[in-house]
Amino acid sequence: DTAVSQTPKYLVTQMGNDKSIKCEQNLGHDTMYWYKQDSKKFLKIMFSYNNKELIINETVPNRFSPKSPDKAHLNLHINSLELGDSAVYFCASSRTSGTHEQYFGPGTRLTVT
Amino acid sequence: AQSVTQLGSHVSVSEGALVLLRCNYSSSVPPYLFWYVQYPNQGLQLLLKYTSAATLVKGINGFEAEFKKSETSFHLTKPSAHMSDAAEYFCAVSAAGGSYIPTFGRGTSLIVHP
Repeated sequence: DTAVSQTPKYLVTQMGNDKSIKCEQNLGHDTMYWYKQDSKKFLKIMFSYNNKELIINETVPNRFSPKSPDKAHLNLHINSLELGDSAVYFCASSRTSGTHEQYFGPGTRLTVT
Repeated sequence: AQSVTQLGSHVSVSEGALVLLRCNYSSSVPPYLFWYVQYPNQGLQLLLKYTSAATLVKGINGFEAEFKKSETSFHLTKPSAHMSDAAEYFCAVSAAGGSYIPTFGRGTSLIVHP
């Protein structure tokens, strides 16, 4: 049973397109996240979302938006893709209570041409 | 406010040698501390965590880390490196009883030579 899953694993698209990445967790966690990992492996948190609040990293362009149809899913929508959006995107989940360890999905490698 | 500093973006060791990856943190409240490992083309997975119980924490694959409050450090060690340990390692901090959103270090790439 995969704890945190993402689809697709690879996404190649052209500049200007709109795309989505899906994320699902079956751990019963109450909070989900999106991270961007650049080519130097630096992890940047983009969003944190639970049923009480959405926390947005202020450096994230508003072309990026999270959508949560239910507690087990947090999808990432990206409008008007740019070359600089090319990266690996990770979904993660955790509990707001307890010890906060995060569980990560396998990642989606986005390539914008 | 919290922050993490990982000293050395790359650490190179020979197989069988001691592994030492350094992490220093800053936190205004008691911290939870984590080490995550990322193997090539995979997501991050939890290696070990400190949550205010024992200061010496043992994790998977023979790794351990020691919480030293006086030094604000949480260095990761393994007595004998294996080729399979080659990966990216991330230290992270969150606030015990506070903000659940962790702050990650920039990562350290462990290179293991035969």
